[in-house]
Amino acid sequence: IVLTQSPGTLSLSPGERATLSCRASQSVSNYLGWYQQKPGQAPRLLIYFASSRATGIPDRFSGSGSGTDFTLTISRLEPEDFAVYYCQQYGRSLTFGGGTKVEIK
Amino acid sequence: QVQLQESGPGLVRPSGTLSLTCAVSGGSISSSYWWTWVRQPPGKGLEWIGEIFHSGNTNYNPSLKSRVSISVDKSKNQFSLNLSSVTAADTAVYYCATISGQLVLDHWGQGTLVTVSS
Repeated sequence: IVLTQSPGTLSLSPGERATLSCRASQSVSNYLGWYQQKPGQAPRLLIYFASSRATGIPDRFSGSGSGTDFTLTISRLEPEDFAVYYCQQYGRSLTFGGGTKVEIK
Repeated sequence: QVQLQESGPGLVRPSGTLSLTCAVSGGSISSSYWWTWVRQPPGKGLEWIGEIFHSGNTNYNPSLKSRVSISVDKSKNQFSLNLSSVTAADTAVYYCATISGQLVLDHWGQGTLVTVSS
């Protein structure tokens, strides 16, 4: 299953809303996760089962969708949210999307 | 809280075998997690390599399957990755991680850079 993330880069200002998309080449039901990665760091799990926040994740992060279309929304960008975000599924095999970079405008 | 730490050579010769170990602390390798390896070439995205359960059951990325072997050592509470016939394209930061029952990677090591070069 191929995961396609869009846009490749999102240029926004702190306080703005970020909407990231992840589209699967076939249905993954709700077995989809989202990760945040900052330079020089390992990825950090944000969302599992498409919409459940992982432990310690602020409620400004929310996930939605099922089947083939998924969205990660950051309601109000904080300075520490500028990073690269990846989606991931595990059907017959585990795959990641190509990532969306959220940069400061 | 499970903690993971990768170790191994930072430089591997072309056509050689890349070997890494992931030490597990704060939990048992015989727990319900699947133990996995992920890599990230410099400046690029994440690629799943494969996973192992404490029983020894494994699953591999089809694109790497012919070159990959993952094993577990219960006595040392660690698991290992071997990747054979490496080329420069295998240069990457290699991460070990856990796969939870929710089928996501919820604990990660800090990663280790492996360079393939002569």
